[in-house]
Order: sequence, then structure tokens, then C-alpha cells
Amino acid sequence: DGGITQSPKYLFRKEGQNVTLSCEQNLNHDAMYWYRQDPGQGLRLIYYSQIVNDFQKGDIAEGYSVSREKKESFPLTVTSAQKNPTAFYLCASSATGTGVSSDYGYTFGSGTRLTVV
Amino acid sequence: RKEVEQDPGPFNVPEGATVAFNCTYSNSASQSFFWYRQDCRKEPKLLMSVYSSGNEDGRFTAQLNRASQYISLLIRDSKLSDSATYLCVVNRGGGGADGLTFGKGTHLIIQP
Repeated sequence: DGGITQSPKYLFRKEGQNVTLSCEQNLNHDAMYWYRQDPGQGLRLIYYSQIVNDFQKGDIAEGYSVSREKKESFPLTVTSAQKNPTAFYLCASSATGTGVSSDYGYTFGSGTRLTVV
Repeated sequence: RKEVEQDPGPFNVPEGATVAFNCTYSNSASQSFFWYRQDCRKEPKLLMSVYSSGNEDGRFTAQLNRASQYISLLIRDSKLSDSATYLCVVNRGGGGADGLTFGKGTHLIIQP
């Protein structure tokens, strides 16, 4: 079955450490996204990528980095520069195309809960 | 004005009742609209897209009013399993690949 897989499900990080969150999809989707969700808050866009070897900053990119070397993979690194990294991180993917994109819903992975200890 | 605004609730509704909630969006260039459902501590899942002419999927009906920039979701004959947070989602305009903007969600509790 096609889907999007995030790992690990829970991640604990010490202050000052960089950590990388994995996101892999086998849906053949061109576009991939990283969102962050804090309790009682909506999802906020960190980075997105529309095509391999290209990505753009979202609304809250500071302290994060990404790469898109393969279509299937879009890992997110939370660096030590991110001052408040404890959150629920969600990766998503979508098909892209031309014209009205009304049908381009996003498929989400099951998320990674990152806690700074 | 916030990009996507929803009443956070919670809305406590008896089983079998009809419930409706709205959201408003600020970007008039948005072209794609969705309702997502998110269960506690889980990822959001697409409930339905919202089309200009309005659309129905079983007990769920979604409507879009572009002139007033609001989207609505109606749930008929509510079930206990409908308890969740419902996220109103719009794209940022200019096609579907530049990210979606999510509302903070409306928390719905269906009571037996």
C-alpha cells in the first residue's frame, strides 16, 4: 500500500544537539512538506519542496534544515539554533499539476513527537 | 485578520444531532479548500475537499462562499466516532504546491 512514513515516532533530544527526522513516501508525489504543531495551535509550515533538489522556506524555517536528494525522501534536521523544538512534527506529500488544484489534498505521515530533555 | 479562523469550541452535541461549523479565510487568491479531521495525538486526515458548488459525502456536506470568504461543514446524524478536531484548510493561492494554511481547528464532542 502506498503511504508516507515518518520515523521515529518519539524522539528525545538533549539541548544543543541536532536531530534528523525521517520522512519517506511511495506515493510518487512530487511535493513534500514539513509542518510543526504545538498544543492548541494550528499547523505551521517549516519547509516545502516541489521537486527533487529544490526546496523553499515556510513560515518558521529558522533553526531547521532540509534536503531533497530523492523524490521519495525529505528529511528534516532540527538544529541547536531552534530555541523551542519540542513539538509534534508532521510530514506531508501531495501530487501537483496545473489548473485548479481543488483535489490536491495532502497525505500526512503519522508524525514524530520531539521532546527536548 | 488571521489567515484561517475557526471557533475552537468545544462543541458538545448529543448523538444523532446535526452540527455545523464555519471558518473564514483571508486570502482571496486561495483556490483549494479542504476539511481535515484530526484525532487526539494523531495526524490530520483528509475528510473532504470543498467545491464552489458545494458537495456532499454521506452525512457530511461542505459549502464554500467565495464572496464572503467562508467555508462550512455540516454533519448530519452525528455519531460518537465523529468526535474529533476538524481543521479548515486553504491553499495559499497560485496552485496547490506552495503549502496549505491550517486553521487551529474546531473541537467536536459527540455525547451519548
